[in-house]
Amino acid sequence: ILNVEQSPQSLHVQEGDSTNFTCSFPSSNFYALHWYRWETAKSPEALFVMTLNGDEKKKGRISATLNTKEGYSYLYIKGSQPEDSATYLCAPFGSGAQKLVFGQGTRLTINP
Amino acid sequence: EAQVTQNPRYLITVTGKKLTVTCSQNMNHEYMSWYRQDPGLGLRQIYYSMNVEVTDKGDVPEGYKVSRKEKRNFPLILESPSPNQTSLYFCASSLGLPITGELFFGEGSRLTVL
Repeated sequence: ILNVEQSPQSLHVQEGDSTNFTCSFPSSNFYALHWYRWETAKSPEALFVMTLNGDEKKKGRISATLNTKEGYSYLYIKGSQPEDSATYLCAPFGSGAQKLVFGQGTRLTINP
Repeated sequence: EAQVTQNPRYLITVTGKKLTVTCSQNMNHEYMSWYRQDPGLGLRQIYYSMNVEVTDKGDVPEGYKVSRKEKRNFPLILESPSPNQTSLYFCASSLGLPITGELFFGEGSRLTVL
């Protein structure tokens, strides 16, 4: 079973500040890494799906990088806004598990 | 509108009373999956289905059943619910195995078993 760790578990950031958090996963037998954003009382929504080492994806103020050799991905949010408050979930897909394995998430709160 | 629809959204029931949580998707997706979310734990897979009449166990299948008689529907059945099945449940679907394709989630069903 894949061991997926996200850090920190929770984060409070002042509006306008930039922030980042980490997803760590076993680097062997890697296929893909998913990032989802989950707002309270809503359903998780996909942000990025990444497959290649060195991949970098961007959606507005949010971007993500992937290092498959060392087994980690960073999610960056530039100029945080209150609407960025959510739990951010990462989920690698590995050949061993043959499914997405979700981390516990990083709960981000933006203070106005 | 492309969506995954779960019902009921909220349910309080008692131990042993059979219940079904329905899940339907309108995107012609082949892959469907059920997850449960508990405090301090990541989303854990209960069952998944690769296509009609093809289902398989996930990480926490005990106490649950599923069926996939039609492509669009993937109900989750609790034959005899117990309090440890109190949880937030999500149904999700994707075009194929969710490797390069994203999962689309329903809005969740919060179940309380007394």
